[in-house]
Amino acid sequence: GAVVSQHPSWVICKSGTSVKIECRSLDFQATTMFWYRQFPKQSLMLMATSNEGSKATYEQGVEKDKFLINHASLTLSTLTVTSAHPEDSSFYICSASLQGVYGGYTFGSGTRLTVV
Amino acid sequence: AQSVTQLDSQVPVFEEAPVELRCNYSSSVSVYLFWYVQYPNQGLQLLLKYLSGSTLVKGINGFEAEFNKSQTSFHLRKPSVHISDTAEYFCAVSALRGAQKLVFGQGTRLTINP
Repeated sequence: GAVVSQHPSWVICKSGTSVKIECRSLDFQATTMFWYRQFPKQSLMLMATSNEGSKATYEQGVEKDKFLINHASLTLSTLTVTSAHPEDSSFYICSASLQGVYGGYTFGSGTRLTVV
Repeated sequence: AQSVTQLDSQVPVFEEAPVELRCNYSSSVSVYLFWYVQYPNQGLQLLLKYLSGSTLVKGINGFEAEFNKSQTSFHLRKPSVHISDTAEYFCAVSALRGAQKLVFGQGTRLTINP
């Protein structure tokens, strides 16, 4: 149980275009979703925390106008990279906290974004 | 705020040998502690977590970790590794209260050699 489905698993896009990444909770309601970015051979850096029905809380240094997060329902959160540039190329991972489960988190399988 | 330091960026080990991956954390509040494993181009899989109680935590795939409050450490161990354990391992913490976001260490690349 508690599966988060993340799509696409990889995407290549041209500079200047936008890309949307989706994370769906398949068998539970994801009240809170976290979005992470991971550079090659580096750790996961939290970009933002989103709660269903409210605006996302972005970490310091993350451009909220560039990385648009929508969490309009309890089963879907999306990250849109707007006007993508090569430096946005990275591995993006979503994670949902599990209500009622102490220290409970489940992760999506990640999206490899390459901007050319 | 919390921070996590994984003391080794890479650990090469021969198959069937024991291994320890070190993790130290810093926090002004009580925390939960986690170890995750990541295989190439995949998300994270939980190995084990410490919430409270016994300081020795057993996880999946034969891994275990010991919480040491005085040394603020949470080292991961396995008595005998297998080739399939080759992966990236992340130690993480989250505060018991508040935003509950996970803060990750830098990761340790475990390479098992035959």
